[in-house]
Order: sequence, then structure tokens, then C-alpha cells
Amino acid sequence: DTEVTQTPKHLVMGMTNKKSLKCEQHMGHRAMYWYKQKAKKPPELMFVYSYEKLSINESVPSRFSPECPNSSLLNLHLHALQPEDSALYLCASSQADRVANEQFFGPGTRLTVL
Amino acid sequence: DQQVKQNSPSLSVQEGRISILNCDYTNSMFDYFLWYKKYPAEGPTFLISISSIKDKNEDGRFTVFLNKSAKHLSLHIVPSQPGDSAVYFCAASEQGTYKYIFGTGTRLKVLA
Repeated sequence: DTEVTQTPKHLVMGMTNKKSLKCEQHMGHRAMYWYKQKAKKPPELMFVYSYEKLSINESVPSRFSPECPNSSLLNLHLHALQPEDSALYLCASSQADRVANEQFFGPGTRLTVL
Repeated sequence: DQQVKQNSPSLSVQEGRISILNCDYTNSMFDYFLWYKKYPAEGPTFLISISSIKDKNEDGRFTVFLNKSAKHLSLHIVPSQPGDSAVYFCAASEQGTYKYIFGTGTRLKVLA
């Protein structure tokens, strides 16, 4: 199984809503990532978990809250988002024993904040 | 400050010919480089990587060249096929980090 799955595929939420994005992989990868991608821009790193611990937070606003409940799952909790947070949110995973590893990406969640 | 740049936003190539996609970087601490392909509404798919200890890596139709002194890498696809039409991103990381910086992307169109 070389797949990273993300749910939901699409999400529309209001600025006062609380929602969560989910990511799952069963490749035994111990590094997992959240990226944000705006139209016609490259993916921008938001968070990295290695061995279920947060290792990188790229100064992301606190309205985005990541969680790694176990080695296969990664969540991104959303609260009080702004319209400018509308984007494609990509999850990725990689081996963690050597930091120079290719990442496997999920298909993304297309988020629209109204 | 864009540390990884792909100066050609788009490229059109005839089927069967060579596609060359370029990528420049500014951070001399980058030591691992990757190329990804992305179709609309899908996540990026890994193509090929290269470590800074090498200057060339091949995998089938894909070859990546690294010129460390020029801080430049390129991806060669030969022969190009219509299914190669996608957006291509290069990415770079610094030794000992999980942080990957993506380039701005080049949209490749292979004409049948």
C-alpha cells in the first residue's frame, strides 16, 4: 500500500465553524507533513511530525491545530478560519530514519472558507 | 524570498522530443533535491531525486542533473509523451531537516 488518503476531498466552512481534515497512511512512514497550496503557487510547508512528535511549525496561525494520534494518522483541526485560508491542503508522509527521503502526497482537501 | 526558482512557468514540446525543465536555488546548504509531477486535483507524485554527492541520476526516461557550483538542476525527459503533460515542481531540503522548499513550478505540455 503506497497510498496516502485524505478526507474530505472538499470542505466548505464558515468563519465560525470548527472542522478537521484527516490524513492516513499505512506505509510505516514515521514522518508526516501538512502543506498548504494556493492556486498557481508551490506547496508551502505548515507542519512536520516525526515519530508522532511535532518537529516543525512554520509559524502557522493558531487557528490551525495539528494532531498526530498515532503513526498512521494525521489531523488538522480548523477553527475561526479566514477567507484567505481557502486553499488545497496536502498531506504527505516519508520515512524518518534518513531525513533525505521522497515524500508521498495525498490528493489533498480543497478548502473554501466563506 | 524564493529560495528555489523555476524561471519558466510553461514549456511546450513535441511528442518524442526531449523536455528540459530547469530549477535554480540560492541556499548552499541544500543537499537533497527532488522532482515532482502534479496533475490538476491530485497531490504531487514523486519522480526522481538526487543527492548533492552526485551530479546525475537516471530512472527510465527521467534524468536529473545537478550543477552545485551554479546552484542549478535540470530534469530531462526523453522521449516526451503526451501523458507527461503536467506541472513539474523541483524541491530542495537542507541536511538534517525535514523541511522541503518547493519551486514555483513549470507547466509542461507535450504536443501529440
